[in-house]
Amino acid sequence: KAGVTQTPRYLIKTRGQQVTLSCSPISGHRSVSWYQQTPGQGLQFLFEYFSETQRNKGNFPGRFSGRQFSNSRSEMNVSTLELGDSALYLCASSILGSGETQYFGPGTRLLVL
Amino acid sequence: AQTVTQSQPEMSVQEAETVTLSCTYDTSESNYYLFWYKQPPSRQMILVIRQEAYKQQNATENRFSVNFQKAAKSFSLKISDSQLGDTAMYFCAFMKRGTSYGKLTFGQGTILTVHP
Repeated sequence: KAGVTQTPRYLIKTRGQQVTLSCSPISGHRSVSWYQQTPGQGLQFLFEYFSETQRNKGNFPGRFSGRQFSNSRSEMNVSTLELGDSALYLCASSILGSGETQYFGPGTRLLVL
Repeated sequence: AQTVTQSQPEMSVQEAETVTLSCTYDTSESNYYLFWYKQPPSRQMILVIRQEAYKQQNATENRFSVNFQKAAKSFSLKISDSQLGDTAMYFCAFMKRGTSYGKLTFGQGTILTVHP
């Protein structure tokens, strides 16, 4: 089975722009979670989607949003980018999002200048 | 809210030796899951081991085993016969059972270096 894929792998944006990141889960997995990883804050949960519905949300401003499509692929969007949004964004998929193992993608490294 | 603490920012071990990474967590929940993930320099997060809190038996996966002490809220990882490929950042993570859909709460990580 193919693993979790994320595109693009690297991205450079300037402050004020917006960005969309994409995640394709493992076939058969319906839950997709997103995390932000920074040296200062570590790994923080952004949100989780299941069957096109956001079921859980972390403590991030409304500039961070996401969605999930009927094929379980997910996108996350960050609007009005700030320097502090520079991070590695990881997505993870699992079958149901209820305690089974989450399988992570390789991440998208975002640099905001 | 749950918190996960890894008190060892860095550890090192010689190849073929055994090393133990510590993790403690704080929760009022009784049903939950605990995980150890490794993140090598490639940044790909890989599951090492998973433990269900209602199971008293400690999980093992080949050279990796855990010491799960529910009352003490402790979840340490033991790596036996360490290999150079074990060099990575190791994260302890917690997930509440039930409505905490898809949310892993991570510790700050422990950088493990295996020396030849």
